Amino acid sequence: KAGVTQTPRYLIKTRGQQVTLSCSPISGHRSVSWYQQTPGQGLQFLFEYFSETQRNKGNFPGRFSGRQFSNSRSEMNVSTLELGDSALYLCASSSGLTGLSAFFGQGTRLTVV
Amino acid sequence: GIQVEQSPPDLILQEGANSTLRCNFSDSVNNLQWFHQNPWGQLINLFYIPSGTKQNGRLSATTVATERYSLLYISSSQTTDSGVYFCAVERDTGGFKTIFGAGTRLFVKA
Repeated sequence: KAGVTQTPRYLIKTRGQQVTLSCSPISGHRSVSWYQQTPGQGLQFLFEYFSETQRNKGNFPGRFSGRQFSNSRSEMNVSTLELGDSALYLCASSSGLTGLSAFFGQGTRLTVV
Repeated sequence: GIQVEQSPPDLILQEGANSTLRCNFSDSVNNLQWFHQNPWGQLINLFYIPSGTKQNGRLSATTVATERYSLLYISSSQTTDSGVYFCAVERDTGGFKTIFGAGTRLFVKA
């Protein structure tokens, strides 16, 4: 069974630009969650999608948005990039049912210059 | 919201030593997991353990949900155990919002 795939692995963007990150979950998994990891703030929850609907959202500004497609693949978009958005962005896949564990992708490392 | 505290923040071990990592959480949870983040950033799922005890090779974990803590035991540590260990909890609020602890950074010396 293929794991969680995130693309791209590395990205360099300029302040003010926008970026789209992609996550393909494990086959059969309907839930995709996104996290931001920085040295200062640790791992922070961004949002979770289940069957194309956002079920939960963390405390991030509206510049951070996401969506999920009918095949469960998810995209995360950050608009008007700031230097502080530089981080490792991780995606997790799960069945979305109570009590089942999540599996993480290798992440996308975003650098904003 | 739920607070998750991990201790110790840093740990240096000699290869072969045993260790115990702790995770305290401030409210009842539906799910608790332990992860290991390797030097390349990959988070590896170690245990899904909302309660009880589980073992997998040299690793074992115990969660006492009524007292709101979980312990991860590493026995006969190896250099490949180095990395950051995270505890994460979830509550079902109509969807899952995962809260991570700050992690325990482990370095195992040869």
